Amino acid sequence: GQQVMQIPQYQHVQEGEDFTTYCNSSTTLSNIQWYKQRPGGHPVFLIQLVKSGEVKKQKRLTFQFGEAKKNSSLHITATQTTDVGTYFCAGSYNRKLIWGLGTSLAVNP
Amino acid sequence: DTGVSQNPRHKITKRGQNVTFRCDPISEHNRLYWYRQTLGQGPEFLTYFQNEAQLEKSRLLSDRFSAERPKGSFSTLEIQRTEQGDSAMYLCASSLKSSWEKLFFGSGTQLSVL
Repeated sequence: GQQVMQIPQYQHVQEGEDFTTYCNSSTTLSNIQWYKQRPGGHPVFLIQLVKSGEVKKQKRLTFQFGEAKKNSSLHITATQTTDVGTYFCAGSYNRKLIWGLGTSLAVNP
Repeated sequence: DTGVSQNPRHKITKRGQNVTFRCDPISEHNRLYWYRQTLGQGPEFLTYFQNEAQLEKSRLLSDRFSAERPKGSFSTLEIQRTEQGDSAMYLCASSLKSSWEKLFFGSGTQLSVL
């Protein structure tokens, strides 16, 4: 079936370092969403990417959607302790959301 | 505060008992979803409603699980004859039909089956 692979599974960084998580789909997606889940919390919608090659920025966060609409990335510049959590991508395919397993980010102050 | 309300927040039950969870979505949202999440995993789709109609149910969902949304507003998820493998966080989410992929999640109900 359709899968969205997300890597890495875990990432441990020093505060101020950059962080990137990648999503790869086995099929072409209609669009892709990114969510953040803080420890003990629930997923919170961050952004949706729709167009091939789209790049969107939210302050220190940069989101990209690949030209083939099969991969996406989230890059955080100069991480802060408030960035701690698990970042999920969710690809939209055939009117269904296919979730990645998430990348858990830990930030050392 | 996303506006999606779930209760109870925690539920501890003995194996074999029935449990029911409630979700109140954001009032103008016509789509409502139930997901299950275990530690270290992403949300696993269970079922979704558009208004009062249950449009899809995961094939992985056993017949011990049933969900309702009788008036197209709040929803309940019932698990009958609970098993230890049912222990998980049960998340409810709602969305507008027009932007259905933008899900607003509730805080979830943590179920522990002893």
